[in-house]
Amino acid sequence: EVQLVESGGGLVQPGGSLRLSCAASGFPFSSYWMHWVRQAPGKGLVWVSRISSDGSSTNYADSVKGRFTISRDNAENTLYLQMNSLRAEDTAMYYCARSWSAVDYWGQGTLVTVSS
Amino acid sequence: EIVMTQSPATLSVSLGERATLSCRASQNINSNLAWYQQNPGQAPRLLIYGASTRATGIPARFSGSGSGTEFTLTISSLQSEDFAVYFCQQYNNWPWTFGQGNKVEIK
Repeated sequence: EVQLVESGGGLVQPGGSLRLSCAASGFPFSSYWMHWVRQAPGKGLVWVSRISSDGSSTNYADSVKGRFTISRDNAENTLYLQMNSLRAEDTAMYYCARSWSAVDYWGQGTLVTVSS
Repeated sequence: EIVMTQSPATLSVSLGERATLSCRASQNINSNLAWYQQNPGQAPRLLIYGASTRATGIPARFSGSGSGTEFTLTISSLQSEDFAVYFCQQYNNWPWTFGQGNKVEIK
């Protein structure tokens, strides 16, 4: 069974940092592109970042470029999102997801709240 | 960035009736379109990919059609578990983008 389990969310002050993790199991993690997608409370879904199966290629939404860094450890079957210089508008549920063509599995999400 | 526009924002439907949801892309995305269902407090679930292919385990009452810029998701006979929010999403160009969602509610 495919499982994606996010962790690392929480309350952080503006300008602070957080590192999200996503533990993957039930599939060959190193064969899949992986993604972070976020959803602000009561709002729609927004792509944050993606990383290729071997970690050599990454893409970011303009809103997080230069502040967030996606990475992966294929030996540990884990995806990461390092988030720096956090802003109030980064407050959202952050989902980890995998794709082959479209995204086919999502984690349950971890909530990030940026507030003083 | 490709803009995805869904209509209507809210659709009120009775149990057993048909629901038709529309999604328009601001430029050609071929058939690189997916539909997701999201219930409150839950993660999205993939229903359709490639504009018309049902994902594993998705009931046959869900069908997708279209290509290019115009797409449709049809739920042939609404069941109680189908009342949810539905998002379309293009994966033709980065950044992948979502529509704002169609809420299907009980009439």
